[in-house]
Amino acid sequence: DSGVTQTPKHLITATGQRVTLRCSPRSGDLSVYWYQQSLDQGLQFLIHYYNGEERAKGNILERFSAQQFPDLHSELNLSSLELGDSALYFCASSPIQGTSGNTIYFGEGSWLTVV
Amino acid sequence: AQSVAQPEDQVNVAEGNPLTVKCTYSVSGNPYLFWYVQYPNRGLQFLLKYITGDNLVKGSYGFEAEFNKSQTSFHLKKPSALVSDSALYFCAVRDPPTGANNLFFGTGTRLTVIP
Repeated sequence: DSGVTQTPKHLITATGQRVTLRCSPRSGDLSVYWYQQSLDQGLQFLIHYYNGEERAKGNILERFSAQQFPDLHSELNLSSLELGDSALYFCASSPIQGTSGNTIYFGEGSWLTVV
Repeated sequence: AQSVAQPEDQVNVAEGNPLTVKCTYSVSGNPYLFWYVQYPNRGLQFLLKYITGDNLVKGSYGFEAEFNKSQTSFHLKKPSALVSDSALYFCAVRDPPTGANNLFFGTGTRLTVIP
């Protein structure tokens, strides 16, 4: 158990809908990352938050957004869903920014199926 | 730009034999390198990392990896494979000079250990 908690574990929704994925980082970790894993794109970095502030963006679509709350949990919002958004979405956390040697620990992921 | 390559999509090895999963990297400076493993329907689990120091890094479950700067490689190894090692393995890199803390992953190598 990495200590990173993601909910829901599985989600099935229709095209055009909006969903929210939730992540609780490991206790004390200030950095939260979101990744998408799909068969055709592999593991893609989406976005990084540190202590409530956005720090880096990767291949995140405009239909997607994220935030990190004062209690450090994070949410990834996916809207106007398309079939191609079906993927496994990972949240990960690490202690502090600025020390690149820190290990990033991943949650179990949220399986999103868009039908 | 930073990247890692995993040249083999699939590696098969007999139980008890040594295993190697290959990874090469490309970064602008000195790399921070990581290996993760993904078991079926599970999240990414951290195995080991190279930040600095000894080129041979030991990690979880008996795995080790050797950092080779001249060959820009970071191959994962285990002296004696177990059937339970069958999983998807990802190499990842973090490129400190860019200031980015997120990981860039390879495409993954599926390891099958044959009883």
